[in-house]
Amino acid sequence: DIQMTQSPSTLSASVGDRVTITCRASQSISSWLAWYQQKPGKAPRLLIYKASNLENGVPSRFSGSGSGTEFTLTISSLQPDDFATYSCQHYSSYFRTFGQGTKVEIK
Amino acid sequence: EVQLLESGGGLVQPGGSLRLSCAASGFTFGIFPMSWVRQASGKGLEWVSAITDTGDSTYYMDSVKGRFTISRDNSENTLFLQMNSLRADDTAIYFCARAAYCSTTGCPFDSWGQGTLVTVSS
Repeated sequence: DIQMTQSPSTLSASVGDRVTITCRASQSISSWLAWYQQKPGKAPRLLIYKASNLENGVPSRFSGSGSGTEFTLTISSLQPDDFATYSCQHYSSYFRTFGQGTKVEIK
Repeated sequence: EVQLLESGGGLVQPGGSLRLSCAASGFTFGIFPMSWVRQASGKGLEWVSAITDTGDSTYYMDSVKGRFTISRDNSENTLFLQMNSLRADDTAIYFCARAAYCSTTGCPFDSWGQGTLVTVSS
């Protein structure tokens, strides 16, 4: 099975900061990677699919990049609504797996 | 508006069974693959099972294979997860999720239900 590893596990940042989260796959997944945002007690929300495609309705301050085994999610200017947990997910096979999550906290 | 509403969770003893349901509305249910994803308290998301749009093919994570069965009724717009031989480590919130933007083999999830809590404990 393909393993997904995110870093960091926790990130402390301030409103207005540029934030970058990394996701690494244990083998190449081409561009078959999605990013989700999740707030406490809520369902995940799809942000990015196919590594860099922004889901409808997602603010343009979110962007994704990468291919193969290394991917990044960038928030260009962190807003108060962005404090949440972010998870990557590969879908290069039917047995899709998630990263362990990155919690973005208020500094 | 896309809506997914899970039900059927609860407290069950180890070795017991539960059947989860997910009622879909606001979209053409029968043309979308669907999945179940779970999340233990304070932990990350874990994909559990998937089913194709027609229900012809199903897929499971290794630890639930042989114990869980995913199915769907496209005439009733409902997704199911039959869970047998439940173990303590199956305790989690179970989300149903709609697949979209699929590759040839897999899909991310563009819509999620609010989840239903399954607790396996004596």
